[in-house]
Amino acid sequence: GDSVTQMEGPVTLSEEAFLTINCTYTATGYPSLFWYVQYPGEGLQLLLKATKADDKGSNKGFEATYRKETTSFHLEKGSVQVSDSAVYFCAAEGGSARQLTFGSGTQLTVLP
Amino acid sequence: SAVISQKPSRDICQRGTSLTIQCQVDSQVTMMFWYRQQPGQSLTLIATANQGSEATYESGFVIDKFPISRPNLTFSTLTVSNMSPEDSSIYLCSVESVRGQRGYTFGSGTRLTVV
Repeated sequence: GDSVTQMEGPVTLSEEAFLTINCTYTATGYPSLFWYVQYPGEGLQLLLKATKADDKGSNKGFEATYRKETTSFHLEKGSVQVSDSAVYFCAAEGGSARQLTFGSGTQLTVLP
Repeated sequence: SAVISQKPSRDICQRGTSLTIQCQVDSQVTMMFWYRQQPGQSLTLIATANQGSEATYESGFVIDKFPISRPNLTFSTLTVSNMSPEDSSIYLCSVESVRGQRGYTFGSGTRLTVV
């Protein structure tokens, strides 16, 4: 079945630092790829998505590009803020019911 | 996009009892998904629920432990039966955000603690 491997955390950065969280997937075919964010005490929110190769998803300064050749979907942000502190999940959509397979999650803490 | 109302938001339950979690969606959806997020871990799919048919369970999850109802296209329940402390988790339901488009909306979750 599908699987998603995500950079292990936790990650601690200073404000305005550059962020990369790695994500790779294995799947049959070309799944849609997602990044979800979970802020402390809150539910899961869709951050961005890409549905085909070379698509770039972007939102709130975060970006991720669907790389078919490396089966990757790394999350990047040029300048993180304290308010970006959260857990980030990479996910791939696949299977007959199009269910999501999640990575293990990466805890990001941004210090002022 | 779809909006989900999930309740209860949290509960503390005694070992051996059962809890039913409800998800109400503001639009008709074909499939609803139930996930479990154990403390400090990622989300694991429990089952997929289609209206009018039996839910499809993932490996490691069985209907006797997690019975699911899907009486119509906007509502579903998940019951956690005969609970033990190992069932302490966050349970979430999910649907497609917009019909036919890629992307999913999640309920706010039910934080369950079994004592």
